[in-house]
Amino acid sequence: DTGVSQDPRHKITKRGQNVTFRCDPISEHNRLYWYRQTLGQGPEFLTYFQNEAQLEKSRLLSDRFSAERPKGSFSTLEIQRTEQGDSAMYLCASSLGRRGSSYNEQFFGPGTRLTVL
Amino acid sequence: DQQVKQNSPSLSVQEGRISILNCDYTNSMFDYFLWYKKYPAEGPTFLISISSIKDKNEDGRFTVFLNKSAKHLSLHIVPSQPGDSAVYFCAASANYGQNFVFGPGTRLSVLP
Repeated sequence: DTGVSQDPRHKITKRGQNVTFRCDPISEHNRLYWYRQTLGQGPEFLTYFQNEAQLEKSRLLSDRFSAERPKGSFSTLEIQRTEQGDSAMYLCASSLGRRGSSYNEQFFGPGTRLTVL
Repeated sequence: DQQVKQNSPSLSVQEGRISILNCDYTNSMFDYFLWYKKYPAEGPTFLISISSIKDKNEDGRFTVFLNKSAKHLSLHIVPSQPGDSAVYFCAASANYGQNFVFGPGTRLSVLP
């Protein structure tokens, strides 16, 4: 399977705990995106990477959220001191991101569903 | 303030008929638009895209129309099939595929 994978698929945690999610993009894709989706809403953009560089992070919801892509391959999203309002589906996507190309559709993983008790 | 709107939360269509899903946007800087389909417990799946230099793009049963002056796009599915039943999201970008803004989605039900 060469699609975008995310791990874990489900995470239940207690308020105040830290959680980390992993995303493995399609191997030749150099752009990687993180989104959050809550019930009845579309995905909400959080941040994205071009290779290992984080080019946009102003949409991260608070300083409790951070993301890394250390070698330009997989990425992690960490939420520190989780709150009940963090409960949502966290989606990762990747794209080719060729300069000057309009072929930039994003391929999504299955998501990680976070429940904060 | 929602920059991408899908004002119909749900739509029901008979199998074989045309499904028309609508999307409106407010940011005139948007220049690239995509439609995604989402089944329960799965991530969104790319369907079709259109750039602002075009007003129509077709791919099999799916056609997207863009009216830049009205800031409106629509997705036509002809003929509709029961397997098309899903939530459809419209997404827009102001810089050719970097930050995408998604609409809230329209749930399509195709009845046999």
